[in-house]
Amino acid sequence: GESVGLHLPTLSVQEGDNSIINCAYSNSASDYFIWYKQESGKGPQFIIDIRSNMDKRQGQRVTVLLNKTVKHLSLQIAATQPGDSAVYFCAENMEAGNNRKLIWGLGTSLAVNP
Amino acid sequence: DGGITQSPKYLFRKEGQNVTLSCEQNLNHDAMYWYRQDPGQGLRLIYYSQIVNDFQKGDIAEGYSVSREKKESFPLTVTSAQKNPTAFYLCASTRGTGELFFGEGSRLTVL
Repeated sequence: GESVGLHLPTLSVQEGDNSIINCAYSNSASDYFIWYKQESGKGPQFIIDIRSNMDKRQGQRVTVLLNKTVKHLSLQIAATQPGDSAVYFCAENMEAGNNRKLIWGLGTSLAVNP
Repeated sequence: DGGITQSPKYLFRKEGQNVTLSCEQNLNHDAMYWYRQDPGQGLRLIYYSQIVNDFQKGDIAEGYSVSREKKESFPLTVTSAQKNPTAFYLCASTRGTGELFFGEGSRLTVL
């Protein structure tokens, strides 16, 4: 079946430390992956994406790693700040008939301790 | 600034009532989506529309209805047939390249 899951439902880190949020997926046909950040009571915001022909992509303080061999995706946040506290979702995008389908993970809650 | 506007932000409904959630975008995106979010769960797709005057059911369409008469607008009606409507509803749009742009959400509570 199709699934996108997270290894850790909650993650607590100290301010200034690096954070790593993991995501497992089971559909090898997925060719595009996205990370979103959702603050309490707000809509998700795009963080970074990666296509299946890449294994690493870097943004500002964030890096996404894709390991297609073990169907694993991770989001690394450098020098975590209190403003990074949120729920982080991974999503995989795949062809479904004539359409593309986005499958969402359950989310990981990141708490940054000052 | 371009973006997606959802209204109302909070809505209370009595059992048996239909309610309509508004979603407007000025991003000139063709595709629009409605998701439902419950605590501890990921986003679940209710309906989506890839072009004006056309829409398709998502994974949990029962008890909901939509229309897409204008490119900018994709309202969602939560009908009395939806047995558990209390949730956070999110509207999104995309150019079609993958990245979704979300509104701020509408929280519906059934009294």
